[in-house]
Amino acid sequence: DTEVTQTPKHLVMGMTNKKSLKCEQHMGHRAMYWYKQKAKKPPELMFVYSYEKLSINESVPSRFSPECPNSSLLNLHLHALQPEDSALYLCASSQERISGANVLTFGAGSRLTVL
Amino acid sequence: AQTVTQSQPEMSVQEAETVTLSCTYDTSENNYYLFWYKQPPSRQMILVIRQEAYKQQNATENRFSVNFQKAAKSFSLKISDSQLGDTAMYFCAFMKPGKGKGAQKLVFGQGTRLTINP
Repeated sequence: DTEVTQTPKHLVMGMTNKKSLKCEQHMGHRAMYWYKQKAKKPPELMFVYSYEKLSINESVPSRFSPECPNSSLLNLHLHALQPEDSALYLCASSQERISGANVLTFGAGSRLTVL
Repeated sequence: AQTVTQSQPEMSVQEAETVTLSCTYDTSENNYYLFWYKQPPSRQMILVIRQEAYKQQNATENRFSVNFQKAAKSFSLKISDSQLGDTAMYFCAFMKPGKGKGAQKLVFGQGTRLTINP
């Protein structure tokens, strides 16, 4: 299995809703990432988990809450979002090499629309 | 901090032609990795090719090859015999090697939208 699977593919939510994005990989990767991508822009790093512990939080607003229940799963809990949070949310995973490149494998993304 | 610059927002070529996408970067690191990722309309980011800075030999993957000029901090992507399926957004990216927070950050350029016309 060489894939990163993201669900749902599309999500529409109101500003008062609570929803979650899910990401799963079975490649034995120990680092998992959330990126946010606006149209025609590069992905922006949000969070990194390394061995199931939060390693990087790029000053993301608290209305985004990541969770890594185990080494294969990564969730992004969404609450009280704003319309400007509408974007493509990409999950990625990589090995945690001591040396060498940590090549990221990306999922197909979850397209989020906040009304 | 590292920066990556792609100076061509859009490019368009005919099928079967060769096209070169430009990328320059800035870093004070001596060892690092450079990547080209492709993002077709299906949205998934796909790794096209990677280059290790300490290797002088340019990386190649079938129709894709790079021209890596370390002193000039330049990393261009050449696509030979272009195909309709090559239509996508192409991102150049930089990463430090190893473990730790610096190694986990993939720094992207702004992207080049490539269209292959029939």
